[in-house]
Amino acid sequence: DVKVTQSSRYLVKRTGEKVFLECVQDMDHENMFWYRQDPGLGLRLIYFSYDVKMKEKGDIPEGYSVSREKKERFSLILESASTNQTSMYLCASSLLRGTGVEKLFFGSGTQLSVL
Amino acid sequence: GESVGLHLPTLSVQEGDNSIINCAYSNSASDYFIWYKQESGKGPQFIIDIRSNMDKRQGQRVTVLLNKTVKHLSLQIAATQPGDSAVYFCAENSAPHGGTSYGKLTFGQGTILTVHP
Repeated sequence: DVKVTQSSRYLVKRTGEKVFLECVQDMDHENMFWYRQDPGLGLRLIYFSYDVKMKEKGDIPEGYSVSREKKERFSLILESASTNQTSMYLCASSLLRGTGVEKLFFGSGTQLSVL
Repeated sequence: GESVGLHLPTLSVQEGDNSIINCAYSNSASDYFIWYKQESGKGPQFIIDIRSNMDKRQGQRVTVLLNKTVKHLSLQIAATQPGDSAVYFCAENSAPHGGTSYGKLTFGQGTILTVHP
């Protein structure tokens, strides 16, 4: 089975800190995604990447950046954490096929609290 | 913009009953739909998917129905069990018209399914 591993299950940071959320997948997937999940709002896409060093903005990229230096690793960076970035962050990966979309495999999530 | 929405935010059923979770979508260009289950403290888990060239697909105890005419998607769970209690999300691919989706999915808000023993 595909395994998507997020480095931290819970994280507490202070306002203004730089925060790194790490994600690793072990199935050689081309696509990787970062979503945030908030009650009543579902999952919202922050950034995604379809290849090493490639990145695309999702629906809510403001206040975030990403890095993909290796195929298996996709990092989400909060340059200066703010309280409204308190959320559950979910990483996902999928294959890139010529036939179109494939299902996403999700990690267990990182619950980030910014104080 | 395009969106995926759910008719009911909560659904409560008795063990052994069949459950139906509904989802409306508005992007007529979407060609792929998927259902996820999320248990407390876990990431979403894939349940079943369907492409727009089909109107029904069955898995183990689950069936997804797609009605493109009214842009409606449903998930049917047969003989619902307490272990089925979770939040269920529908999602669609969100490619711009004529563009490439790179596998992006747009999710609905979710439906909470509670199964009573």
